[in-house]
Amino acid sequence: GQQLNQSPQSMFIQEGEDVSMNCTSSSIFNTWLWYKQDPGEGPVLLIALYKAGELTSNGRLTAQFGITRKDSFLNISASIPSDVGIYFCAGWDSGGSNYKLTFGKGTLLTVNP
Amino acid sequence: KAGVTQTPRYLIKTRGQQVTLSCSPISGHRSVSWYQQTPGQGLQFLFEYFSETQRNKGNFPGRFSGRQFSNSRSEMNVSTLELGDSALYLCASRSSGVANTGELFFGEGSRLTVL
Repeated sequence: GQQLNQSPQSMFIQEGEDVSMNCTSSSIFNTWLWYKQDPGEGPVLLIALYKAGELTSNGRLTAQFGITRKDSFLNISASIPSDVGIYFCAGWDSGGSNYKLTFGKGTLLTVNP
Repeated sequence: KAGVTQTPRYLIKTRGQQVTLSCSPISGHRSVSWYQQTPGQGLQFLFEYFSETQRNKGNFPGRFSGRQFSNSRSEMNVSTLELGDSALYLCASRSSGVANTGELFFGEGSRLTVL
């Protein structure tokens, strides 16, 4: 099956620092999604990417759809304490079925005030 | 518009019992998917329903089942509960057809604890 590797697994940073995380896939995706999950809650969609090379921002968050269509990146600028949570990447395959979303294992972000 | 609604939010069961979880998708969304989330395994796909038909299924035993009603609401059932079934069960919906952007919207989840 498809493999989606997300890194790093966890990050511990100081408030105000920038953060970068990425996902790589063993196969081509035609859509990348980035989610944030707070403890005990469901994942919330942050950014959706639809074509290779696309760069999309949502406030302090910026995500990119890799040119190879096998990777995606999420950057958070000037982190604040409420950025704490688990960030997941997810991708739809390009095989035509489009029925199943593959998720990364998540990046646990801790922000020290 | 209202988001994905899941009930109950929390429940405790004992081994051998069965449980039914409910999900109401975003209005107009006809696709509903279910995921199991555990600390060790992450988000694992259970199944997806569209127009009352299961159109994809993950690698879970037959104890896990689901259905979708004509109003797109969905239920999932787990029979003969095992300790390992303790997890956060997430429901997600998305639009379909020409409006389908692939964006999946999640509910807050149902936290199941099996004792």
